[in-house]
Amino acid sequence: QKEVEQNSGPLSVPEGAIASLNCTYSDRVSQSFFWYRQYSGKSPELIMSIYSNGDKEDGRFTAQLNKASQYVSLLIRDSQPSDSATYLCAVTTGGNTGKLIFGQGTTLQVKP
Amino acid sequence: DTAVSQTPKYLVTQMGNDKSIKCEQNLGHDTMYWYKQDSKKFLKIMFSYNNKELIINETVPNRFSPKSPDKAHLNLHINSLELGDSAVYFCASGLLSNQPQHFGDGTRLSIL
Repeated sequence: QKEVEQNSGPLSVPEGAIASLNCTYSDRVSQSFFWYRQYSGKSPELIMSIYSNGDKEDGRFTAQLNKASQYVSLLIRDSQPSDSATYLCAVTTGGNTGKLIFGQGTTLQVKP
Repeated sequence: DTAVSQTPKYLVTQMGNDKSIKCEQNLGHDTMYWYKQDSKKFLKIMFSYNNKELIINETVPNRFSPKSPDKAHLNLHINSLELGDSAVYFCASGLLSNQPQHFGDGTRLSIL
């Protein structure tokens, strides 16, 4: 079993729709969860971090965390073509090393 | 005023050569990381240093040797380059805790 799993996609949504990206992780003691966006040929860019159960909203982005189900998601409201990118879920492992385990990423395509 | 900067951006070389990639951060972070992103876009941790001390050393061939002269710099030296070393190498920095990491622009290494 992979440590962090994402559906590789592509996930295709029309402009203005809600895009829902999902991630599951295997390490029950993980404490920190991040969503990075990566455009083709560019570096990963942090868009959301979440540390406790529930929802966290930042503009059009909402991260949701359920530690009991070992599940973290990212919702993008009013999707724009500029949101088309690969979204990487990253989870810290147990221990204070800052070690991040990344999922394989979900490619999102927002069609005008 | 780039936060995490890597040089060079592109590196094209022949099998068997030795090469180095340099990384510098001006964010005041105490921890720096090297990641490898392969052709399938999977991003995997290789090493991390905290205040010049090696913290994470994943299962990486010993042809790869990181060096941290101070907490703002982390270099990666690769000996006897092989075809399978072709990838994008990202440097990142963060605090030694479960806080987000910030990535450099990457070095695209191509082995001929």
